[in-house]
Amino acid sequence: EVQVVESGGGLVQPGGSLRLSCATSGFTFSSHWMHWVRQAPGKGLVWVTRINDVGSSSTYADSVKGRFTISRDNAKNKLYLEMTSLRAEDTAVYYCARDSHSSGMDVWGTGTTVIVSS
Amino acid sequence: DIQMTQSPSSLSASVGDRVTITCRASQSISRYLNWYQQKPGKAPKLLIYAASTLQSGVPSRFTGGGSGTDFTLTISSLQSEDLATYYCQQSDSLPLTFGPGTKVDIK
Repeated sequence: EVQVVESGGGLVQPGGSLRLSCATSGFTFSSHWMHWVRQAPGKGLVWVTRINDVGSSSTYADSVKGRFTISRDNAKNKLYLEMTSLRAEDTAVYYCARDSHSSGMDVWGTGTTVIVSS
Repeated sequence: DIQMTQSPSSLSASVGDRVTITCRASQSISRYLNWYQQKPGKAPKLLIYAASTLQSGVPSRFTGGGSGTDFTLTISSLQSEDLATYYCQQSDSLPLTFGPGTKVDIK
């Protein structure tokens, strides 16, 4: 079964850091670009970042540029999101999503919740 | 950045009704438009990609259309399980952007 499972969310103070992980299975991870998308409570979907298949290129939304870093380990079939200098507005459910070769994001995890609060 | 808008923001319809949601891009995106369904408390699900191609396993009552700046998602005969929020998303250029969503309720 094709699946992605996020972990690592939690409560963190403003200015703090957190590392999210996304474990994948059931498909050739190294053949797909991957995304992180977030959703603040009661709000819509917001794209955060994406990384290419080999991990050599990544792009970020302006709101997280310089604070978040996406990375991947193709040997472990895992995707990561390192988040630093966290702000209250980063509070959201963070989803890991597979890119279906420029045909949308076709596999999504159930998300992991990040709460930034003192 | 390409801005995406959707209308209506919410709608209520009866089972069996035909429902149409509109999505508009702030500039031409050719057919680089995807639709997602998000049921309450669940992760989004890809319904349609490239404006009109149905994702595998998605019921045929869902159809997508349009190109350039104007797109539609139509549910030909609304079912109770279609209660959800629907989002359009452009994949023409970075940053990828989503519409604000259309919440579909069942009367």
